Amino acid sequence: KAGVTQTPRYLIKTRGQQVTLSCSPISGHRSVSWYQQTPGQGLQFLFEYFSETQRNKGNFPGRFSGRQFSNSRSEMNVSTLELGDSALYLCASSLGQGAGQPQHFGDGTRLSIL
Amino acid sequence: DAKTTQPPSMDCAEGRAANLPCNHSTISGNEYVYWYRQIHSQGPQYIIHGLKNNETNEMASLIITEDRKSSTLILPHATLRDTAVYYCIVRVENSGAGSYQLTFGKGTKLSVIP
Repeated sequence: KAGVTQTPRYLIKTRGQQVTLSCSPISGHRSVSWYQQTPGQGLQFLFEYFSETQRNKGNFPGRFSGRQFSNSRSEMNVSTLELGDSALYLCASSLGQGAGQPQHFGDGTRLSIL
Repeated sequence: DAKTTQPPSMDCAEGRAANLPCNHSTISGNEYVYWYRQIHSQGPQYIIHGLKNNETNEMASLIITEDRKSSTLILPHATLRDTAVYYCIVRVENSGAGSYQLTFGKGTKLSVIP
């Protein structure tokens, strides 16, 4: 069974630009969550989608947004990029939302802002 | 949310069992204990989770104390490839929406020594 696939793996952008990251969950998984990982802050929760609806959101500015499609694939968008947005962005999928449903992570998209 | 406490680092000889402790003294009755690990430049890898009973899978065993205030992850025969940061997470429901984000701490850096 294929794991969580994130594209692209690496991305370089400049300040002020916007970026869209893509995540394909494990087949059959309906919940997709996004996380940001930086050396200083560690892993921080961005948001979670289930059945095309955002169910939970972390403490990030409105420049960070996402969506989920009917096939459960998800995209994350960051507008007006800042230097501090340089990070590893991770997507995780799970069968459902329950606390007993493990989330499985992709290897992330490494975003560098120049 | 229940918080977890882990030692920042541990060493283990190759071929020996690695026992990674985690304290979660404020855990509630419906909160699961999850373990993930992360090898540099990869996404976190799910290892195991449990609620009250001890659990075992092909990767590891999870021992949860009877009062649920602490747990131990056991890698029965550590190899060099088990060198990673190991995260113990208590997964709680958020915002009443049936959403269960993962809140990562700093974890334990396990070094397997040849």
